[in-house]
Amino acid sequence: EIVLTQSPGTLSLSPGERATLSCRASQSVSASYLAWYQQKPGQAPRLLIYGASGRATGIPDRFSGSGSGTDFTLTISRLEPEDFAVYYCQQHASSVTFGGGTKVEIK
Amino acid sequence: QVQLVQSGAEVKKPGASVKVSCTTSGYTFTAYYLEWVRQVPGQGPEWMGSINTFSGDTKYAEKFQVRVTLTRDASINTAYMELSRLKSDDTAVYYCARRYQLMSSWLFDYWGQGTLVIVSS
Repeated sequence: EIVLTQSPGTLSLSPGERATLSCRASQSVSASYLAWYQQKPGQAPRLLIYGASGRATGIPDRFSGSGSGTDFTLTISRLEPEDFAVYYCQQHASSVTFGGGTKVEIK
Repeated sequence: QVQLVQSGAEVKKPGASVKVSCTTSGYTFTAYYLEWVRQVPGQGPEWMGSINTFSGDTKYAEKFQVRVTLTRDASINTAYMELSRLKSDDTAVYYCARRYQLMSSWLFDYWGQGTLVIVSS
C-alpha cells in the first residue's frame, strides 16, 4: 500500500499569506494519479487538483499543484477566509489511499 | 445538476450489518464508476471500494475485502454499500463519490452528503 504523509499537520497563517502544503509518498507515484481535496467541517471532501497540477472545474487560480515521484505540493498563493480548512492528498496508482491531512487555520 | 443523495444515519450493534444507499441524478448513472470512502471523525478519508455501475464489477480495498459488498440497481440510479460484522471502530461517516476519468486521472468530482454509521452496544 502506498502511504501518503502530509506535512505540516497544522499550518497557522493569516488571510493574504501563502500556504505551502506537502505530500510525500512511500513510493513513486505518477503525477497523473495524485489529487488534492479540501474539506470543511461537516462537509464532504471537494476536489481541488487532479493529475498533480490540473485545477478542477470552478477552482480559483490561487490554488496550484506541483510535484513528481514521491514529493508533491499544494500551494495557495493568497489565503482567502474560505480557504481555512483541512486538505488531503490522494493517490490511485496502487489501490487508493489518502494522506492524513493538513489543517490550515487562522493565525 | 449532478446530485448524490445518501440514506440517513444508522445506529447498529456490534456484529450487525449496515446497508447505505446512494441515489444519483443529473447524469447518466451507468457512465461513471461510483466510489465508497469512509472517514472516522478526526481522521483522513479511507477508500473502501468502487463499482462499475454499467457492468456491476467491483473492486475492494484489501482491508474491507471480506466484509463489504457493493451493488447497484441501474433502474433506479442507486448504488449500495453493505458492511457486515460491524465493530465499534467502524463508526464513521460513509460517502459515495462519482469517479470521472480524465485520461489516466481519476477525479472524485461529486460526493454524497455522507451517512453517519454509529456502532455501539
